[in-house]
Amino acid sequence: DIQMTQSPSSLSASVGDRVTITCQASQDIGNYLTWYQVKPGKAPKLLIYDASSLKTGVPSRFSGSGSGTDFTFTISSLQPEDFATYYCQQYDSLPPAFGQGTRLDIK
Amino acid sequence: EEQLVESGGGLVQPGRSLRLSCAASGFRFEDYAMHWVRQTPGKGLEWVSSISWNSGSTDYADSVKGRFTIFRDNAKQSLYLQMNSLREEDSALYYCARDQYQLMVYSMDVWGKGTTVTVSS
Repeated sequence: DIQMTQSPSSLSASVGDRVTITCQASQDIGNYLTWYQVKPGKAPKLLIYDASSLKTGVPSRFSGSGSGTDFTFTISSLQPEDFATYYCQQYDSLPPAFGQGTRLDIK
Repeated sequence: EEQLVESGGGLVQPGRSLRLSCAASGFRFEDYAMHWVRQTPGKGLEWVSSISWNSGSTDYADSVKGRFTIFRDNAKQSLYLQMNSLREEDSALYYCARDQYQLMVYSMDVWGKGTTVTVSS
């Protein structure tokens, strides 16, 4: 099974900050990677698919990059509504696997 | 608006059964593969099971294989998860999620808010 290692596990930042989260796969997954935003009591949201494609309707301050085993997720200028937990997920092979999550909170 | 609404969660004793349901609206349910994903405080998000648009293919996590069954009723725009022989480690918030495609690609673009399952004596 492919293991996804996400870092950091938690992060404190301020509105307007640039934030970067990394995700490393235990083997080559090409570009078969998604990034999700999860908030308590709300439906998780797909933000990025195919490692760098922005889902329609998602603000352009969110971006993703990488291929193979190393991936990056960036929020260019944090907004108040962005404080949440973010997960990467590989879908190159079964079972689909999630990173352990990055909790982003207000500094 | 594309929406998924889960139901059927609750408190159940170990070894018993529970059936989760997911009602879809705002899109053609039969055009998409569907998934169940669960979330626990300790383990984060964990994929549970998937089914193709026409029920021709299903997949299960090893942790639930042989105990859980996924099925769908396209006429009712509904997805189900029959959970048997429940264990305490199955306690979680269970999400229903839509695949981006008809076949199981496992990139999930629409999610519900989840239903909570607690397995405890």
